[in-house]
Amino acid sequence: EVQLVESGGGLVQPGRSLRLSCTASGFTFGDYAMSWVRQAPGKGLEWVGFIRSKAYGGTTEYAASVKGRFTISRDDSKSIAYLQMNSLKTEDTAVYYCTRVHSSSWYFDYWGQGTLVTVSS
Amino acid sequence: QSVLTQPPSVSGAPGQRVTISCTGSSSNIGAGYDVHWYQQLPGTAPKLLIYGNSNRPSGVPDRFSGSKSGTSASLAITGLQAEDEADYYCQSYDSSLRAVVFGGGTKLTVL
Repeated sequence: EVQLVESGGGLVQPGRSLRLSCTASGFTFGDYAMSWVRQAPGKGLEWVGFIRSKAYGGTTEYAASVKGRFTISRDDSKSIAYLQMNSLKTEDTAVYYCTRVHSSSWYFDYWGQGTLVTVSS
Repeated sequence: QSVLTQPPSVSGAPGQRVTISCTGSSSNIGAGYDVHWYQQLPGTAPKLLIYGNSNRPSGVPDRFSGSKSGTSASLAITGLQAEDEADYYCQSYDSSLRAVVFGGGTKLTVL
């Protein structure tokens, strides 16, 4: 059974940093691209970024709203994807979901339960 | 303002058929990129409902179907049930933005 479990969320002040983790199980992690999607309170879904598998260079892409501030990385030996968030803003407050990417057509076939990040002073 | 446009809400009585539209442009749906749909039940994470315009993952009832034409796509739900009450999102890729894009979401109310 595919499982994605996010951790690392919490309350953080504007301008500070936070790192989220996504621990995967039930599939060969290294074979898949992974992505982060967020949802602000009462709002819709917003794609944050993704990281390709090592077979495709392990390269990353980001939404314009987070580019230069957020970094996605992966540790295939531990089956973990990370989201490093720097220079956080109040508008980054959201539930952050880790997703597995089906890169043939760029859709998200499995989602974690999400972790809440609140950016507030 | 989302790149993909969905109606904010739709409603229907049990047993009825409803459709949810997803309108894009020549840089996303119209460029040939696939459309995917997600269902988000209250208080839960989104779940993949339709992929590749019209394909259902294992376990999704055939009451749910998807289609795509030109710069738009649609999700149809037949035999509406109370458990279908949820938010529904369409998703595609935009070549101009070089980004994955979502619709703003549609809240389905079962009357």
